[in-house]
Amino acid sequence: RKEVEQDPGPFNVPEGATVAFNCTYSNSASQSFFWYRQDCRKEPKLLMSVYSSGNEDGRFTAQLNRASQYISLLIRDSKLSDSATYLCVGYNNAGNMLTFGGGTRLMVKP
Amino acid sequence: DTGVSQNPRHKITKRGQNVTFRCDPISEHNRLYWYRQTLGQGPEFLTYFQNEAQLEKSRLLSDRFSAERPKGSFSTLEIQRTEQGDSAMYLCANTDRATDTQYFGPGTRLTVL
Repeated sequence: RKEVEQDPGPFNVPEGATVAFNCTYSNSASQSFFWYRQDCRKEPKLLMSVYSSGNEDGRFTAQLNRASQYISLLIRDSKLSDSATYLCVGYNNAGNMLTFGGGTRLMVKP
Repeated sequence: DTGVSQNPRHKITKRGQNVTFRCDPISEHNRLYWYRQTLGQGPEFLTYFQNEAQLEKSRLLSDRFSAERPKGSFSTLEIQRTEQGDSAMYLCANTDRATDTQYFGPGTRLTVL
């Protein structure tokens, strides 16, 4: 079983839709979590950190549930430019490394 | 632009040849990471340096792989006797000391024929 698991998708949604991605992790030693965005043939870029209290950045909301070892990302009013792969990432402070999920592909259609 | 640069951006080589990639990080960030990413997968950790010391190596890093970071600045990743299975994107990342945020370079795409 992978340490960080995501539904690979693709999620095909119309512009303006709300879409949610989920991610589960198995390593309880993971202390910090992030969502990264990766465009086709480009490097991953940090989208946002994820906190237990939940955090929002514009149209994006991330949530962490440590009890269920579950992370979510909600995108409201999706834009064509949101089309990308979204990577769920755990960070283990002791090992000083990021563990990536396989990514969820989002396609926003006009 | 994250300020992390990698060279070359693309490399095509024949099986059995040696290749070397370079990463030039953001100078004030002391931790440097190498990852490998194949199509449809997330990046997989290979190794990391704190300054010039290589502190962690993944089991993915076989004997044919070696990484260095002389003087704690730029880093090189060498693959000897390349195999077709080595074809992947090799990503370098730097860590912001204050936030632990990792910033990735554009990657080197390796194709082994």
